[in-house]
Amino acid sequence: SYELTQPPSVSVSPGQTARITCSGDALPKQYAYWYQQKPGQAPVLVIYKDSERPSGIPERFSGSSSGTTVTLTISGVQAEDEADYYCQSADSSGTYLVFGGGTKLTVL
Amino acid sequence: QVQLQESGPGLVKPSETLSLTCTVSGGSVSSGSYYWSWIRQPPGKGLEWIGYIYYSGSTNYNPSLKSRVTISVDTSKNQFSLKLSSVTAADTAVYYCARRVGETTTVGWFDPWGQGTLVTVSS
Repeated sequence: SYELTQPPSVSVSPGQTARITCSGDALPKQYAYWYQQKPGQAPVLVIYKDSERPSGIPERFSGSSSGTTVTLTISGVQAEDEADYYCQSADSSGTYLVFGGGTKLTVL
Repeated sequence: QVQLQESGPGLVKPSETLSLTCTVSGGSVSSGSYYWSWIRQPPGKGLEWIGYIYYSGSTNYNPSLKSRVTISVDTSKNQFSLKLSSVTAADTAVYYCARRVGETTTVGWFDPWGQGTLVTVSS
């Protein structure tokens, strides 16, 4: 079965830049999407189609893609950005959907 | 603004069938370009896509759950439902319903999500 691989954790100081990666063999063919999940809450979409930002999401959130890796970048990290972040995509056929294992972002 | 709300039993016995309903407000399940989805999250773990349904009734399921999952839609009630049979403790999770915004069948994202409901499998 197809898998997306994320680092379990990333730590940054306030005001720094956080980068969270997601790797998968089908990412050159399929878009990636990113979700933020705070404790006890449902996930919220923060990036769609690799790099598009939904309305209402702060500009400090951005996404990029290079080969088999996509990256979520949070510039000028704030304490409120501390959360779990999940990437999501599809297998090479686009039929089956999959989530990465999630990355816990800690703001020191 | 579309909102989704899950409902159903919070406790299910092993070997029985888990049944949940998602009620959609502020929008219609009959709208085109949307696929109505179920996703789950075991306690302390990551997200797992279960499947989705289009208003026409066409479905797509996670291969790892396909033999036990049925997703249906009731356009008259503006609801869609999940049934998962032969449950075990491994099926204990928070179950979310979500709208998948689909530009095509292969391009789409989950937005918005319901608040989630915890289902525990235990005797």
